[in-house]
Amino acid sequence: DAGVIQSPRHEVTEMGQEVTLRCKPISGHNSLFWYRQTMMRGLELLIYFNNNVPIDDSGMPEDRFSAKMPNASFSTLKIQPSEPRDSAVYFCASSFTNTGELFFGEGSRLTVL
Amino acid sequence: GENVEQHPSTLSVQEGDSAVIKCTYSDSASNYFPWYKQELGKRPQLIIDIRSNVGEKKDQRIAVTLNKTAKHFSLHITETQPEDSAVYFCAASGNAGNMLTFGGGTRLMVKP
Repeated sequence: DAGVIQSPRHEVTEMGQEVTLRCKPISGHNSLFWYRQTMMRGLELLIYFNNNVPIDDSGMPEDRFSAKMPNASFSTLKIQPSEPRDSAVYFCASSFTNTGELFFGEGSRLTVL
Repeated sequence: GENVEQHPSTLSVQEGDSAVIKCTYSDSASNYFPWYKQELGKRPQLIIDIRSNVGEKKDQRIAVTLNKTAKHFSLHITETQPEDSAVYFCAASGNAGNMLTFGGGTRLMVKP
Protein backbone atom coordinates (compact mmCIF):
# COMPACT_ATOMS: atom_id res chain seq x y z
CA ASP A 1 0.00 0.00 0.00
CA ALA A 2 1.25 3.51 -0.81
CA GLY A 3 0.23 4.82 2.59
CA VAL A 4 -1.96 7.83 3.26
CA ILE A 5 -1.87 10.14 0.26
CA GLN A 6 -2.46 13.86 0.59
CA SER A 7 -2.68 16.60 -2.01
CA PRO A 8 -1.55 19.21 -2.63
CA ARG A 9 1.78 19.00 -0.79
CA HIS A 10 2.13 22.78 -0.87
CA GLU A 11 -0.48 25.47 -1.38
CA VAL A 12 0.06 29.21 -1.45
CA THR A 13 -3.04 31.33 -1.71
CA GLU A 14 -4.32 34.77 -0.94
CA MET A 15 -6.59 35.70 1.92
CA GLY A 16 -10.22 35.16 1.05
CA GLN A 17 -9.63 32.33 -1.40
CA GLU A 18 -11.10 28.86 -0.99
CA VAL A 19 -8.69 26.05 -0.17
CA THR A 20 -9.44 22.35 -0.59
CA LEU A 21 -7.11 19.71 0.83
CA ARG A 22 -7.52 16.08 -0.17
CA CYS A 23 -6.76 12.77 1.48
CA LYS A 24 -6.81 9.13 0.46
CA PRO A 25 -6.54 6.85 3.50
CA ILE A 26 -4.89 3.43 3.56
CA SER A 27 -7.19 0.87 2.01
CA GLY A 28 -9.18 -0.98 4.66
CA HIS A 29 -8.70 1.59 7.41
CA ASN A 30 -12.02 2.69 8.83
CA SER A 31 -10.97 5.77 10.81
CA LEU A 32 -9.72 9.02 9.32
CA PHE A 33 -8.39 12.09 11.11
CA TRP A 34 -7.48 15.62 10.08
CA TYR A 35 -4.79 17.34 12.19
CA ARG A 36 -3.33 20.83 11.98
CA GLN A 37 0.27 21.48 13.06
CA THR A 38 1.72 24.87 13.94
CA MET A 39 4.70 25.89 16.03
CA MET A 40 2.48 27.66 18.52
CA ARG A 41 -0.27 25.07 18.97
CA GLY A 42 1.42 21.78 18.09
CA LEU A 43 -0.71 18.95 16.66
CA GLU A 44 -4.39 19.75 16.93
CA LEU A 45 -7.14 17.30 16.02
CA LEU A 46 -9.66 19.04 13.77
CA ILE A 47 -12.12 16.26 12.95
CA TYR A 48 -12.41 12.47 13.17
CA PHE A 49 -14.43 10.14 10.92
CA ASN A 50 -15.33 6.54 11.64
CA ASN A 51 -16.78 4.49 8.77
CA ASN A 52 -17.16 7.74 6.79
CA VAL A 53 -19.29 9.36 9.51
CA PRO A 54 -18.00 12.44 11.38
CA ILE A 55 -17.68 11.46 15.03
CA ASP A 56 -16.04 14.49 16.60
CA ASP A 57 -15.60 17.88 14.93
CA SER A 58 -15.10 19.88 18.11
CA GLY A 59 -11.60 20.82 16.96
CA MET A 60 -12.77 22.57 13.81
CA PRO A 61 -11.83 26.21 14.44
CA GLU A 62 -14.91 27.87 13.03
CA ASP A 63 -17.53 27.75 10.33
CA ARG A 64 -14.96 28.58 7.69
CA PHE A 65 -13.70 25.01 8.03
CA SER A 66 -15.62 22.02 6.72
CA ALA A 67 -14.71 18.38 6.09
CA LYS A 68 -16.37 15.60 4.17
CA MET A 69 -15.81 11.90 3.62
CA PRO A 70 -18.09 10.81 0.78
CA ASN A 71 -16.65 7.30 0.68
CA ALA A 72 -14.10 5.09 2.41
CA SER A 73 -11.25 6.13 0.13
CA PHE A 74 -11.52 9.92 0.02
CA SER A 75 -11.84 12.91 2.30
CA THR A 76 -11.60 16.66 1.87
CA LEU A 77 -10.93 19.55 4.22
CA LYS A 78 -12.13 22.88 2.93
CA ILE A 79 -11.40 26.38 4.19
CA GLN A 80 -13.57 29.17 2.85
CA PRO A 81 -12.63 31.98 3.07
CA SER A 82 -9.00 31.41 4.05
CA GLU A 83 -7.13 33.73 6.42
CA PRO A 84 -3.40 34.18 7.14
CA ARG A 85 -3.83 32.54 10.56
CA ASP A 86 -4.86 29.33 8.78
CA SER A 87 -1.27 28.92 7.56
CA ALA A 88 -0.07 25.56 8.88
CA VAL A 89 0.72 21.99 7.91
CA TYR A 90 -2.44 19.92 7.65
CA PHE A 91 -2.02 16.19 8.20
CA CYS A 92 -4.47 13.47 7.34
CA ALA A 93 -4.11 10.15 9.17
CA SER A 94 -5.93 6.83 9.07
CA SER A 95 -6.16 3.73 11.24
CA PHE A 96 -8.10 0.61 12.10
CA THR A 97 -10.47 1.57 14.89
CA ASN A 98 -9.43 -1.28 17.14
CA THR A 99 -5.66 -0.94 16.92
CA GLY A 100 -5.12 2.75 17.56
CA GLU A 101 -1.95 3.21 15.49
CA LEU A 102 -2.23 6.26 13.28
CA PHE A 103 -0.58 6.38 9.88
CA PHE A 104 0.03 9.94 8.76
CA GLY A 105 0.21 11.33 5.27
CA GLU A 106 3.06 13.59 4.18
CA GLY A 107 1.00 16.67 5.03
CA SER A 108 -0.20 19.69 3.07
CA ARG A 109 1.68 22.91 3.84
CA LEU A 110 -0.71 25.82 3.48
CA THR A 111 0.43 29.43 3.28
CA VAL A 112 -2.22 32.14 3.19
CA LEU A 113 -0.86 35.55 2.24
CA GLY B 1 -11.86 15.67 27.30
CA GLU B 2 -8.35 14.32 27.55
CA ASN B 3 -5.43 16.67 28.26
CA VAL B 4 -1.82 15.55 27.73
CA GLU B 5 1.12 17.53 29.10
CA GLN B 6 4.66 16.81 27.88
CA HIS B 7 8.04 17.83 29.34
CA PRO B 8 10.58 19.07 28.56
CA SER B 9 9.82 21.05 25.42
CA THR B 10 13.47 20.88 24.37
CA LEU B 11 16.19 18.46 25.38
CA SER B 12 19.83 18.50 24.39
CA VAL B 13 22.08 15.51 25.15
CA GLN B 14 25.52 14.33 24.18
CA GLU B 15 25.77 11.37 21.83
CA GLY B 16 25.76 8.16 23.86
CA ASP B 17 23.84 9.64 26.79
CA SER B 18 20.28 8.71 27.70
CA ALA B 19 17.21 10.89 27.11
CA VAL B 20 13.95 10.82 29.05
CA ILE B 21 10.72 12.52 28.04
CA LYS B 22 7.73 12.57 30.39
CA CYS B 23 4.00 12.94 29.83
CA THR B 24 0.97 13.19 32.07
CA TYR B 25 -2.65 12.67 31.10
CA SER B 26 -5.93 13.62 32.70
CA ASP B 27 -8.49 10.98 31.67
CA SER B 28 -8.22 7.90 33.89
CA ALA B 29 -10.11 5.94 31.20
CA SER B 30 -7.25 6.35 28.72
CA ASN B 31 -5.78 2.98 27.82
CA TYR B 32 -3.47 3.47 24.84
CA PHE B 33 -0.26 5.53 24.90
CA PRO B 34 1.80 5.82 21.71
CA TRP B 35 4.94 7.80 21.00
CA TYR B 36 5.59 9.40 17.62
CA LYS B 37 8.84 10.70 16.15
CA GLN B 38 8.78 13.54 13.65
CA GLU B 39 11.92 14.41 11.75
CA LEU B 40 12.26 17.87 10.26
CA GLY B 41 9.83 18.35 7.39
CA LYS B 42 8.50 14.81 7.67
CA ARG B 43 5.35 13.13 8.95
CA PRO B 44 4.99 11.83 12.53
CA GLN B 45 5.69 8.10 12.72
CA LEU B 46 4.96 5.65 15.50
CA ILE B 47 8.06 4.40 17.30
CA ILE B 48 6.58 2.55 20.28
CA ASP B 49 3.29 2.24 22.11
CA ILE B 50 1.99 0.77 25.33
CA ARG B 51 -1.42 -0.29 26.52
CA SER B 52 -2.73 0.03 30.03
CA ASN B 53 -2.41 -3.67 30.84
CA VAL B 54 1.41 -3.46 30.99
CA GLY B 55 3.79 -1.23 32.89
CA GLU B 56 6.81 -1.27 30.60
CA LYS B 57 7.71 -2.08 27.01
CA LYS B 58 11.10 -2.10 25.36
CA ASP B 59 12.28 -2.14 21.75
CA GLN B 60 16.06 -2.07 21.33
CA ARG B 61 17.24 1.36 22.53
CA ILE B 62 13.81 2.75 23.32
CA ALA B 63 11.49 1.91 26.19
CA VAL B 64 8.25 3.27 27.56
CA THR B 65 7.00 3.05 31.12
CA LEU B 66 3.46 3.64 32.32
CA ASN B 67 2.19 4.48 35.80
CA LYS B 68 -1.61 4.38 35.66
CA THR B 69 -2.04 5.35 39.29
CA ALA B 70 -0.11 8.57 38.80
CA LYS B 71 -1.36 8.99 35.21
CA HIS B 72 2.02 9.46 33.68
CA PHE B 73 4.18 7.70 31.11
CA SER B 74 7.71 8.20 29.90
CA LEU B 75 9.92 7.54 26.88
CA HIS B 76 13.50 6.44 27.49
CA ILE B 77 16.13 6.45 24.76
CA THR B 78 19.50 4.93 25.63
CA GLU B 79 22.82 5.32 23.81
CA THR B 80 21.47 8.26 21.83
CA GLN B 81 22.71 8.84 18.30
CA PRO B 82 22.57 11.96 16.08
CA GLU B 83 19.80 10.34 14.02
CA ASP B 84 17.62 10.33 17.14
CA SER B 85 17.41 14.12 16.79
CA ALA B 86 13.76 14.92 16.08
CA VAL B 87 10.55 16.08 17.73
CA TYR B 88 8.89 13.40 19.85
CA PHE B 89 5.17 13.44 20.66
CA CYS B 90 3.37 11.44 23.28
CA ALA B 91 -0.35 10.79 22.98
CA ALA B 92 -3.21 9.15 24.82
CA SER B 93 -6.57 7.77 23.87
CA GLY B 94 -9.37 6.53 26.04
CA ASN B 95 -12.96 5.69 25.67
CA ALA B 96 -13.51 8.02 22.70
CA GLY B 97 -12.69 5.28 20.24
CA ASN B 98 -9.14 5.64 18.99
CA MET B 99 -9.07 9.41 18.96
CA LEU B 100 -5.59 10.49 20.09
CA THR B 101 -4.77 13.60 22.08
CA PHE B 102 -1.16 14.65 21.57
CA GLY B 103 1.25 16.31 23.94
CA GLY B 104 3.01 19.50 22.91
CA GLY B 105 6.14 17.74 21.66
CA THR B 106 9.80 17.58 22.75
CA ARG B 107 12.57 18.69 20.46
CA LEU B 108 15.50 16.32 21.11
CA MET B 109 18.94 17.35 19.93
CA VAL B 110 21.76 14.83 20.10
CA LYS B 111 25.15 16.46 19.82
CA PRO B 112 27.96 14.40 18.24
